[in-house]
Amino acid sequence: GQNIDQPTEMTATEGAIVQINCTYQTSGFNGLFWYQQHAGEAPTFLSYNVLDGLEEKGRFSSFLSRSKGYSYLLLKELQMKDSASYLCAVRGGEYGNKLVFGAGTILRVKS
Amino acid sequence: GAVVSQHPSWVICKSGTSVKIECRSLDFQATTMFWYRQFPKQSLMLMATSNEGSKATYEQGVEKDKFLINHASLTLSTLTVTSAHPEDSSFYICSARPGRGRQFFGPGTRLTVL
Repeated sequence: GQNIDQPTEMTATEGAIVQINCTYQTSGFNGLFWYQQHAGEAPTFLSYNVLDGLEEKGRFSSFLSRSKGYSYLLLKELQMKDSASYLCAVRGGEYGNKLVFGAGTILRVKS
Repeated sequence: GAVVSQHPSWVICKSGTSVKIECRSLDFQATTMFWYRQFPKQSLMLMATSNEGSKATYEQGVEKDKFLINHASLTLSTLTVTSAHPEDSSFYICSARPGRGRQFFGPGTRLTVL
């Protein structure tokens, strides 16, 4: 989606914390999703935000600010298996009920 | 949790042949199913939205006569790639949604056209 922006790549160290940002532009809004995708596999759901604030789920948290069109995914206590692509997706506005994905952020966790 | 299956998981075919990919929701009824395509190192691009019992809605730039979608029941949608060419080689992923809830993704189908 051309109106959903994420960094292309990030590298972090095992055990550390990493924040992956996502900005979006849409005339309306009905939810923002984060997915994890390992190479050659389908995306798996991580989190969903529709109201402003922080949603925490174990090592993963996601934040949303609708007024700023901004979200981030926070990964704590990084593990090697967290190396994957992280996709931000938006629903609503001109997208209707469709889920439109950003280009994804490739996260590399090093030991 | 909700499970979505795809069949086949991978397929290799000759240029000019047609390939059918099935997407099934195993434990829920999916009023809407979505078909995505993903090229290497790129994100998922929505191809079309299919609603049970009605014609699919295609995204701009997707040829509806080439990518035939049939959503004949609340648990099955099929995507047929007609007269496939090497440039159609990609990872095809479906997702299904019960009502207005979250989408659940299938495991994907890797298509290679020789």
